[in-house]
Amino acid sequence: DIQMTQSPSTLSASVGDRVTITCRASQNIRSFLAWYHQRPGKAPKLLIYQTSTLESGVPSRFSGSGSGTEFTLTISSLQADDFATYYCQQYHTYPWTFGQGTKVEIK
Amino acid sequence: EVQLMESGGGLIQPGGSLRISCVASGFTFNNYEMNWVRQAPGKGLEWVSNITRSGSGTHYVGSVKGRFIISRDNAKNSVFLQMNNLRAEDTAMYYCATGGFCADDECQGTAYLQYWGQGTLVFVSS
Repeated sequence: DIQMTQSPSTLSASVGDRVTITCRASQNIRSFLAWYHQRPGKAPKLLIYQTSTLESGVPSRFSGSGSGTEFTLTISSLQADDFATYYCQQYHTYPWTFGQGTKVEIK
Repeated sequence: EVQLMESGGGLIQPGGSLRISCVASGFTFNNYEMNWVRQAPGKGLEWVSNITRSGSGTHYVGSVKGRFIISRDNAKNSVFLQMNNLRAEDTAMYYCATGGFCADDECQGTAYLQYWGQGTLVFVSS
């Protein structure tokens, strides 16, 4: 199975901060990578797919980049709504796999 | 508005069976592959299974192969997960999720998880 490793596991930040989360794949997944966030007690929500395509309705402060084995999610100016856990997911090879999650906390 | 509504979760003894369901509305169901994703209490997300638009193709994570069966009924806009020989480690919130819209013969490019239900909780314990 392809292992997805996110860093950091926890991130403390303030409203207005620029935040970057990294996701590494154990093998080449080309651009078949998605990002989700999940607020406590809620279902996950798709933010970005195909590495850098913003899902409809997702604010433009979110962006994604990378290819192959290294990917990043950037939030240009963190808002109160963005405090959540973020997951990357590869859909290049079955079984689809997720990173372990990055919890973005209020500093 | 896209809606996915899971049901059928509950408390089940180890070794038992349970069938969970997901009813979809607000989109053309047979244009989307369907997935089940689970989340153990306090843990991360784990993809469990998916099924092609026609229902002819299925995939599973290794830990459930031979025990779980995914199926769909396009006439009823529904997807199901039959879970057999349940174990304590299957305890989780089970979410159904669509792939992206796919009009091609092959849907890998749209296999991200676009729409999610609110989940149904499966608790395996004696």
